[in-house]
Amino acid sequence: DTAVSQTPKYLVTQMGNDKSIKCEQNLGHDTMYWYKQDSKKFLKIMFSYNNKELIINETVPNRFSPKSPDKAHLNLHINSLELGDSAVYFCASSPSGTGASPLHFGNGTRLTVT
Amino acid sequence: SQQGEEDPQALSIQEGENATMNCSYKTSINNLQWYRQNSGRGLVHLILIRSNEREKHSGRLRVTLDTSKKSSSLLITASRAADTASYFCATDGGSNDYKLSFGAGTTVTVRA
Repeated sequence: DTAVSQTPKYLVTQMGNDKSIKCEQNLGHDTMYWYKQDSKKFLKIMFSYNNKELIINETVPNRFSPKSPDKAHLNLHINSLELGDSAVYFCASSPSGTGASPLHFGNGTRLTVT
Repeated sequence: SQQGEEDPQALSIQEGENATMNCSYKTSINNLQWYRQNSGRGLVHLILIRSNEREKHSGRLRVTLDTSKKSSSLLITASRAADTASYFCATDGGSNDYKLSFGAGTTVTVRA
């Protein structure tokens, strides 16, 4: 049973397109996240939702829009894709959203923009 | 801004040897966590240490925390080929509990 699952695993698209990545967790956690991992493996937080409420919104272009229809799902929509958006995007969840809670990660979506 | 920074960036050891990697951070924290990432996979939580703790063990893992130096270390004893992975530290921001910040990790290669 996959705890945090995200789809698709690979996404190859052209500049200017709009794409979405979906994430679902079956752990019953209240908090979900989107992280971006660049080619140097640096992992940067993008967004966090706690019980469907946005609690972290880092300096991310507004072409990126998260949506949480319920606390088990957090999707990421990206408009007008650019070359620099190429990266691996990870969804994660945690029980409470504090630094004392371990994060559970999905296996990532590798986005390649050509 | 980036909180944790791991050192070294890469480490290559022989099976059976110990691997030590360090993490330094800039501001006060409540908790520090270590994660492992195998190639092509998501990060997996290894161990959490609170700011009032100095050392924690979990199997072959030993984590230390020195809040006066704003640093932590992860020791993997008797390494195995399966320990080949990238290791990341993550810190909360002290008063900003909701944000867990990661560094760029240490890539460990265990040679058979």
